[in-house]
Amino acid sequence: AQSVTQLGSHVSVSEGALVLLRCNYSSSVPPYLFWYVQYPNQGLQLLLKYTTGATLVKGINGFEAEFKKSETSFHLTKPSAHMSDAAEYFCAVSPNTGGFKTIFGAGTRLFVKA
Amino acid sequence: ETGVTQSPTHLIKTRGQQVTLRCSSQSGHNTVSWYQQALGQGPQFIFQYYREEENGRGNFPPRFSGLQFPNYSSELNVNALELDDSALYLCASSFPLAGGVNEQFFGPGTRLTVL
Repeated sequence: AQSVTQLGSHVSVSEGALVLLRCNYSSSVPPYLFWYVQYPNQGLQLLLKYTTGATLVKGINGFEAEFKKSETSFHLTKPSAHMSDAAEYFCAVSPNTGGFKTIFGAGTRLFVKA
Repeated sequence: ETGVTQSPTHLIKTRGQQVTLRCSSQSGHNTVSWYQQALGQGPQFIFQYYREEENGRGNFPPRFSGLQFPNYSSELNVNALELDDSALYLCASSFPLAGGVNEQFFGPGTRLTVL
């Protein structure tokens, strides 16, 4: 069984500050891990993904995430927040065994203050 | 290359009615997954279709059903609508790669309101 926990339903940062969105997962098999962003009234857009190999993954819009197996975490970071980063962010996990069911976390809404 | 499209954008129904939502997959994608996203929650997997066959299902009752057509477009049907069915319904298409990750491309969703 797989699950995802996103710590903090809301995160508020100032423009230019570090963004840190936390995600912990549970998986009985090696996972694929994803971060998606959702802007109001839109679908989900993939920010980045971890499959195998390098544990530090770089994505679009300056975001990156690090897979830490020992901590079962996949936290999302960005060095400097922009106003345009304000959105809902979802962490997701799917098994790497060929099944395609993706489990999403409950989401973290990011607010960026001017 | 055309992305994933969904219709209609918004829909209002009353309890007990039936609804059909439609999804056109991205060009070249033969797999479609449907998700329900209730307000303030993450998407919940409903089911997936691969080459016109159901290929996995989440914890949704049988009144949620689907179809995939030869052109890989898809429909989600919900019978006997309940108030709790009010949500954003997302469709995602993908092309499964042997030994690779299943990257899904999402449509903008259909907002269903049940009164």
